[in-house]
Amino acid sequence: DAKTTQPNSMESNEEEPVHLPCNHSTISGTDYIHWYRQLPSQGPEYVIHGLTSNVNNRMASLAIAEDRKSSTLILHRATLRDAAVYYCILRDCSNAGGTSYGKLTFGQGTILTVHP
Amino acid sequence: DAGVTQSPTHLIKTRGQQVTLRCSPKSGHDTVSWYQQALGQGPQFIFQYYEEEERQRGNFPDRFSGHQFPNYSSELNVNALLLGDSALYLCASSRQGFCNQPQHFGDGTRLSIL
Repeated sequence: DAKTTQPNSMESNEEEPVHLPCNHSTISGTDYIHWYRQLPSQGPEYVIHGLTSNVNNRMASLAIAEDRKSSTLILHRATLRDAAVYYCILRDCSNAGGTSYGKLTFGQGTILTVHP
Repeated sequence: DAGVTQSPTHLIKTRGQQVTLRCSPKSGHDTVSWYQQALGQGPQFIFQYYEEEERQRGNFPDRFSGHQFPNYSSELNVNALLLGDSALYLCASSRQGFCNQPQHFGDGTRLSIL
């Protein structure tokens, strides 16, 4: 399984942008880059995903390096509700052997603390 | 539109017992995956069910088994419980054939082994 590397923790102030980095040097061509976050006592929540191009949605933006060996999740204005563990995940969507069911392989994630 | 629902929310068992956890997928989803999350760790993939068959399995012993029903709901069974099985068990649902789309998670079942 392709691996990701994230900082253990990051801090931000409320209303400021946050850039959460992720390295995935062994990414393959069929791996999608997914970001999930997990608030205390809740299951992981989908944030955003992409393959090659940068992506934007109502929650965040995803910037993907040209060589796809790294990516950055951008929260444009952090709020206290954004304090969570953020996971960068490579999801194998290859079809080798007929089928790939796309399990998610989680790492340790980045604990984001947001200060008022 | 109900999301993924899991039951029970909390469960306490003793070593050697057996447990069954249940999951109902999000409406429109036909694939269910189960994950184990130990305290302070990221979720670890147990297995995935589609069309009532186990399709993919992680590195978990045979004590962990599952089932999927015709209505796409799923059960996770764990036999001969060990203290190390204490964890949050998460269910995630998705649509088969749409691997590039996200999985949706429930809030999990917290299993404590005494």
